[in-house]
Amino acid sequence: AQSVTQLGSHVSVSEGALVLLRCNYSSSVPPYLFWYVQYPNQGLQLLLKYTSAATLVKGINGFEAEFKKSETSFHLTKPSAHMSDAAEYFCAVRPYGGSQGNLIFGKGTKLSVKP
Amino acid sequence: DVKVTQSSRYLVKRTGEKVFLECVQDMDHENMFWYRQDPGLGLRLIYFSYDVKMKEKGDIPEGYSVSREKKERFSLILESASTNQTSMYLCATKRQGSSYTFGSGTRLTVV
Repeated sequence: AQSVTQLGSHVSVSEGALVLLRCNYSSSVPPYLFWYVQYPNQGLQLLLKYTSAATLVKGINGFEAEFKKSETSFHLTKPSAHMSDAAEYFCAVRPYGGSQGNLIFGKGTKLSVKP
Repeated sequence: DVKVTQSSRYLVKRTGEKVFLECVQDMDHENMFWYRQDPGLGLRLIYFSYDVKMKEKGDIPEGYSVSREKKERFSLILESASTNQTSMYLCATKRQGSSYTFGSGTRLTVV
């Protein structure tokens, strides 16, 4: 079965520092991959998605992610953290040919940004 | 933009009560989903529906049922609420070929 693993349930960075949130997937065939962000007391918002076009995907709010097939990874980065980036981030995979587009989510990484 | 509206942000119910969580979308999306979100567990799929009156079990359907009588509305039903169903419930919709759109969630507490 497909799965996605997010390394680190909590990540803390200083304002202005690099943000790196890790995501690895298990799949023999490259799936569709997504990053979502959830701000406190809100639903999930799509940050970016990989659908087998460019391997470097740019999203909203300055985030980007690189698909690396050899490492089965889809890590999320942002060069300079802002206080407003504090939120929970979820990596998700939709298996290639998956039924009705169901997403499988990782367990989430909570990002804290220190002043 | 697609809007997904969940009827309640916060809900407190008693053990054994029948609970209805409602989700309404204002676009013509075929697919609708119910997830529950728990700390450290991420989002887990309870049920989904790809058409009116159609439903499929997700990963954790036990203790839940769903209803989709109209395309825009997808209801999650807790037949007899229990304390282990205290959670955040998220509804999502999707058109074929597009991305998910999530509602703001309903935080349910069962006492």
